[in-house]
Amino acid sequence: ETGVTQTPRHLVMGMTNKKSLKCEQHLGHNAMYWYKQSAKKPLELMFVYNFKEQTENNSVPSRFSPECPNSSHLFLHLHTLQPEDSALYLCASSQDSTMNTEAFFGQGTRLTVV
Amino acid sequence: EDQVTQSPEALRLQEGESSSLNCSYTVSGLRGLFWYRQDPGKGPEFLFTLYSAGEEKEKERLKATLTKKESFLHITAPKPEDSATYLCAVQVNYGGSQGNLIFGKGTKLSVKP
Repeated sequence: ETGVTQTPRHLVMGMTNKKSLKCEQHLGHNAMYWYKQSAKKPLELMFVYNFKEQTENNSVPSRFSPECPNSSHLFLHLHTLQPEDSALYLCASSQDSTMNTEAFFGQGTRLTVV
Repeated sequence: EDQVTQSPEALRLQEGESSSLNCSYTVSGLRGLFWYRQDPGKGPEFLFTLYSAGEEKEKERLKATLTKKESFLHITAPKPEDSATYLCAVQVNYGGSQGNLIFGKGTKLSVKP
């Protein structure tokens, strides 16, 4: 248990569906992140929020839409995804994205787009 | 371009057979280097942070070292429960992404009894 909880753990969705991934952290951190992990590739940073403000969008397609209502919660809204979007989506948090402190990860959501 | 390269991609060891994993990096300014362990279907678990060349950190059978160009994760007398993918990541000290992690592809370690 790292203090970062992601739901659901597994998700299968059609290309026309709309779904959301949820992340919650109980560590008192101010920065939250979304990463994508695909087979044989390094973790890819998608979005960064620091003190609820989005500070990084790493050229992510608009079919992925993040939302950070407060420093403890982060969502990733999904719509009209493609099969190549199937991957493990990881949420992480750290004290502050401008500081060199370690990030703690959730268990991930395994997404399959059919 | 910032780059993190891990080798080997996969490593098979017998229980008790010590070895090292390598992480080489090419960045203009290093703020910190991180090692994580990842079990199948789970998120990465934090192991170590190293900030400057010459620094070393230990945890049970693992020891991480850092030079100006690379880091090593030494595994002494590994056990089957050490089997996992080990990820290396760096933070850079410039630009707008100073806190963000740049990951390598990882080394998948298998330890046989």
